[in-house]
Amino acid sequence: ETGVTQTPRHLVMGMTNKKSLKCEQHLGHNAMYWYKQSAKKPLELMFVYNFKEQTENNSVPSRFSPECPNSSHLFLHLHTLQPEDSALYLCASSYRGGEGQQYFGPGTRLTVT
Amino acid sequence: SQELEQSPQSLIVQEGKNLTINCTSSKTLYGLYWYKQKYGEGLIFLMMLQKGGEEKSHEKITAKLDEKKQQSSLHITASQPSHAGIYLCGADKSSGTYKYIFGTGTRLKVLA
Repeated sequence: ETGVTQTPRHLVMGMTNKKSLKCEQHLGHNAMYWYKQSAKKPLELMFVYNFKEQTENNSVPSRFSPECPNSSHLFLHLHTLQPEDSALYLCASSYRGGEGQQYFGPGTRLTVT
Repeated sequence: SQELEQSPQSLIVQEGKNLTINCTSSKTLYGLYWYKQKYGEGLIFLMMLQKGGEEKSHEKITAKLDEKKQQSSLHITASQPSHAGIYLCGADKSSGTYKYIFGTGTRLKVLA
């Protein structure tokens, strides 16, 4: 247990569906991150929120929409995804954005059919 | 382009053997992190190195960062089946810019 939880752990969705991934951290951290992990590719940073403000959008397609209502919760809203978006989506948090170790959640395994 | 190169990509060792995993960057890094991942799960933090020449150890795992802060190694002594998993190096490209990058990982299997 790292103190970062993610739900759901597995998700199968069609290309026309809309779904959301949820991340919650109980560590008192101020920064939260979304990463995408695809087979045989490096972990890709998608979004960074620092004190609820988005500080990084790593050229992510608009079909991925993040939301950070407070420092403890992070969402990733998904709509009209493509099969190549199938991957493990990892959430992480750190005490401050841009420095220090990150604490990762267990991930959501997403399959787009 | 791949910015953190890890080698080897996979490794199978007999229990009790020592092993080394390398992580190399073409540019100087601000901070270097080692994580371990069980297949399909999140990353568990192992160690952080920030100073050139720094070396840290935890139980049977030792990580080193070279003086130029461009290369790091992770060494496991007397490997055990519990060491099996995927080891990833990650780095801050520069201070306070959120530019985190990761290597592709090294998949380690330890045979009992």
